[in-house]
Amino acid sequence: KNQVEQSPQSLIILEGKNCTLQCNYTVSPFSNLRWYKQDTGRGPVSLTIMTFSENTKSNGRYTATLDADTKQSSLHITASQLSDSASYICVVSAYTDKLIFGTGTRLQVFP
Amino acid sequence: GAGVSQSPSNKVTEKGKDVELRCDPISGHTALYWYRQRLGQGLEFLIYFQGNSAPDKSGLPSDRFSAERTGESVSTLTIQRTQQEDSAVYLCASSLALAGGVGELFFGEGSRLTVL
Repeated sequence: KNQVEQSPQSLIILEGKNCTLQCNYTVSPFSNLRWYKQDTGRGPVSLTIMTFSENTKSNGRYTATLDADTKQSSLHITASQLSDSASYICVVSAYTDKLIFGTGTRLQVFP
Repeated sequence: GAGVSQSPSNKVTEKGKDVELRCDPISGHTALYWYRQRLGQGLEFLIYFQGNSAPDKSGLPSDRFSAERTGESVSTLTIQRTQQEDSAVYLCASSLALAGGVGELFFGEGSRLTVL
């Protein structure tokens, strides 16, 4: 069964600290993996998209990694800011038209 | 327009009424998706359009839900005889269709539906 699991479910950190969010998936055949940021009351916004051959990708202070062998991905946020407070959603695309969404990690950054 | 536009942004209705939610995708995006997001929950897939056809309607929760797309552009999600459990944010996304997978998704800001 195609599934995407994210951990932790929620996370609280202090401004300026780093954090890492995890995504494990069982999706086949795999096409790509995406990370989205969803601010409260807004639509999700794409952070990164990685294909099978990519194992790391950065977007500013966000760095995503992908291990296609173990079917794991992580999103690392460096020097967190208050504006990083949001839900982060891992989405895996099967090599079809299917997208499988994780339930997200809710990050809160406090001053 | 520059992004995906959804309307209305907020809709409050009485149980039993019908509602229509509209999505204007990014011009040229052939793929269009509808998702439902209940408060504090993840996104639930509802329906996917490729052009004006809907090859995957598997997420529509009941026959009260329907959607159409015309001119490979605007899409309307209709919920008939609304129930309180229909209360959620309905998100629309569009993308360029790619061979062998889904292109980058661009989401609208959603339509928040409250059924009293």
